[in-house]
Order: sequence, then structure tokens, then C-alpha cells
Amino acid sequence: GENVEQHPSTLSVQEGDSAVIKCTYSDSASNYFPWYKQELGKRPQLIIDIRSNVGEKKDQRIAVTLNKTAKHFSLHITETQPEDSAVYFCAAGDSWGKLQFGAGTQVVVTP
Amino acid sequence: DTGVSQDPRHKITKRGQNVTFRCDPISEHNRLYWYRQTLGQGPEFLTYFQNEAQLEKSRLLSDRFSAERPKGSFSTLEIQRTEQGDSAMYLCASTDGNQPQHFGDGTRLSIL
Repeated sequence: GENVEQHPSTLSVQEGDSAVIKCTYSDSASNYFPWYKQELGKRPQLIIDIRSNVGEKKDQRIAVTLNKTAKHFSLHITETQPEDSAVYFCAAGDSWGKLQFGAGTQVVVTP
Repeated sequence: DTGVSQDPRHKITKRGQNVTFRCDPISEHNRLYWYRQTLGQGPEFLTYFQNEAQLEKSRLLSDRFSAERPKGSFSTLEIQRTEQGDSAMYLCASTDGNQPQHFGDGTRLSIL
């Protein structure tokens, strides 16, 4: 199948702490792994992505790691801020760009 | 803003009616995708186009659903004989194949 599993479903962190979200995928043809942030009532916004030939990518406070052998990838947010509160989705994509999404993680950053 | 645009933003209709949504992708993006998102879930792939060719349809897309992209630019998604279970946010995304998918704001469909 083409399942993407995402954990945890909810994550509450204190401002300034780190947040980690983990995803696993099953389709060996997946070679592209984006992460989207979605605020209530708004469109999903890409925050970072990684391709299968790369193990890690970082953009300021956000980093993503990929273990292709184990078929899992993770999102790391450091020094969390209240504006990081949102639902985060991982996805796994094939060569045609078709994305299979995880169920989402509700992140709440408390001041 | 030259992002992906979708119309209408909201659609309320009675069960059994037909509805049609429109998506205008980012200019020059040759790939266009439709997803459906229900409350508390991630977007689910429905179908996608490479230019005007519809290349894949999810099994989620029953025969009541049809999508077109006649000139390889905008796309329409039609749902015939709507059912309660069709209530969802319908999202459109586009890419040129090398860039990430950019999503529109979606069309929220409510079936009475």
C-alpha cells in the first residue's frame, strides 16, 4: 500500500523547547518528502522538503531527516515560538509528484 | 498574488445536486493535482493532470466524480448527485515538476 503514518497526533511544547514529529512510509517508490504547515481554515504551506538522495536538510529553526532504509523521516523544530502552533503534515511523493499525506500533528506552543 | 486560485471558496448545496469547482494553477505549471481533505485528516489524493492528460485517478474517485483540464491550464472537478459523505475541503495544487506543490485555498463543500 501507500500508507504514511505520522506520530504524535498532538504535541504540546513550551515556548523555546524543541518539537519532533515522525513519519513512516511504505511505498519504496517514494522519493520526495515534503512537510506542510496548515493553520486553521488556511491552505497547506510548504515549510521544508527533502529528496531521497539527501539524509538531512536544515532551514533556520527547521530540519528534516530521512532514513530511506528504515523508511522513516522526521521534522525537528527548535526554539519553538507561539506562531509555530498549527497542524503539520508529512507526505511521501513519487516521481509524478503524487503525494500521500500523514494524518497530521496538532502542535501547540504555550508561552 | 499569482498563486493557485480556486473558485468558489465555499459551496453549500442540497444532497443530489451537481456541483463544479474550478482551479487555476500557477502559470506555466504543467502538473495539476486534486486532493480532498476532511476535518482532522490529511489531504487525500484524488487525481492529477500532466498538461491536459489525466494520468491517474484514485479509487476514492467514484464515477460520480469527473475532472477535466481541457487546455492544459485551468481544471474543473465536478461531483454529480452529491451525497453527505462528499462534504469536505477540495484542494488543488500545481507544480512544474521540479518545484514543490503549491496549494490553493480550497473549496469547502457542505451538503445539506
